[in-house]
Amino acid sequence: KAGVTQTPRYLIKTRGQQVTLSCSPISGHRSVSWYQQTPGQGLQFLFEYFSETQRNKGNFPGRFSGRQFSNSRSEMNVSTLELGDSALYLCASSQRTQSYEQYFGPGTRLTVT
Amino acid sequence: DQQVKQNSPSLSVQEGRISILNCDYTNSMFDYFLWYKKYPAEGPTFLISISSIKDKNEDGRFTVFLNKSAKHLSLHIVPSQPGDSAVYFCAASGETSGSRLTFGEGTQLTVNP
Repeated sequence: KAGVTQTPRYLIKTRGQQVTLSCSPISGHRSVSWYQQTPGQGLQFLFEYFSETQRNKGNFPGRFSGRQFSNSRSEMNVSTLELGDSALYLCASSQRTQSYEQYFGPGTRLTVT
Repeated sequence: DQQVKQNSPSLSVQEGRISILNCDYTNSMFDYFLWYKKYPAEGPTFLISISSIKDKNEDGRFTVFLNKSAKHLSLHIVPSQPGDSAVYFCAASGETSGSRLTFGEGTQLTVNP
């Protein structure tokens, strides 16, 4: 079974721009969660989507948003990029919502200049 | 407020010996704990988990111990192999946080041949 895939793997953007990241979960998995990893803050939960609905949300500003499609693929959008948004963005999938065991993709490395 | 802490940023052991990675938590609502392993340029890989109704869970060379009264868990790797060299993250969740995993800062394990 193919794992979680994320595109693109690397991205460079300028302050003020917006960016969209994509995640395809493991086949049969219907829940997708997003995490941000930075050297200073570690891995932090952004949000979870299940059945095209946001089910859980972390403590991030409204510039961070997401959505999920009927095929369970998910996108994450960050508007008005700031230098501090430079991070590794990880997507994780699980079979159902409220599931502790999550399987991560390789991440998208976003650099904001 | 760091609810999950891994106090050792790094650990170095000899091949064949035991590796012990430690994790402390403060939130008494956490009732499920996981360990993930992360290689550079890859997403975290799920290793082993434990529910708060148990105090030990084994999977091959990996054993996780949970001491609820001390709010402490540890991961034992026996015997350690050079391929185990990676960053290990402890994560926790609970019924009220559902899919939201709270991660520790990670411990870099180096297994020397």
